[in-house]
Amino acid sequence: DIVMTQTPLSSPVTLGQPASISCRSSQSLVHSDGNTYLSWLQQRPGQPPRLLIYKISNRFSGVPDRFSGSGAGTDFTLKISRVEAEDVGVYYCMQATQFPWTFGQGTKVEIK
Amino acid sequence: QLQLQESGPGLVKPSETLSLTCTVSGGSISSSSYYWGWIRQPPGKGLEWIGSIYYSGSTYYNPSLKSRVTISVDTSKNQFSLKLSSVTAADTAVYYCLGGGGDYWGQGTLVTVSS
Repeated sequence: DIVMTQTPLSSPVTLGQPASISCRSSQSLVHSDGNTYLSWLQQRPGQPPRLLIYKISNRFSGVPDRFSGSGAGTDFTLKISRVEAEDVGVYYCMQATQFPWTFGQGTKVEIK
Repeated sequence: QLQLQESGPGLVKPSETLSLTCTVSGGSISSSSYYWGWIRQPPGKGLEWIGSIYYSGSTYYNPSLKSRVTISVDTSKNQFSLKLSSVTAADTAVYYCLGGGGDYWGQGTLVTVSS
């Protein structure tokens, strides 16, 4: 199985300041079709997860442009340019390149 | 925009079979080149992929659960379902149904395994 490791596990952030979450996979996430199926999910308190970013850097429909994804191979980053109150929650990276699909442990973003 | 909704019993006895259904609206389950699947989240913990079924019918299961899991599709009802046999307290979790590679999620349903 591909192990997904996120850092940090907790990120206290001041409103309006940036935040960054790292995700590292135990092997390359490049699929044989050339795509890299690395996604970022947001789970607000009491809510189901929702897709923010797919294939490393593509924002899903309705996702604000303050969210951005980058990376390649085994190292990926989610950045929030200016954290807003509604961004509080847990963020997960997820790989769907190889079965079984696997998730990072989650990073809790909270306001200082 | 696809919408997914889980349904099924919220309480299952140990050793019995957990059965959940996901109803898809806003699109046909058989016309989309999607994976349809299930993910669970034990209370206060992270996400675990259970398995997926491709629109063609191919199934993929988490090896840790494979001997107990069956995912199937009913195209006539635009639904897909999960069966997890021989449940224990460790299977207590919120179960989410999923469309695509994480594109669309249901609201989730809490299933408690208890006698």
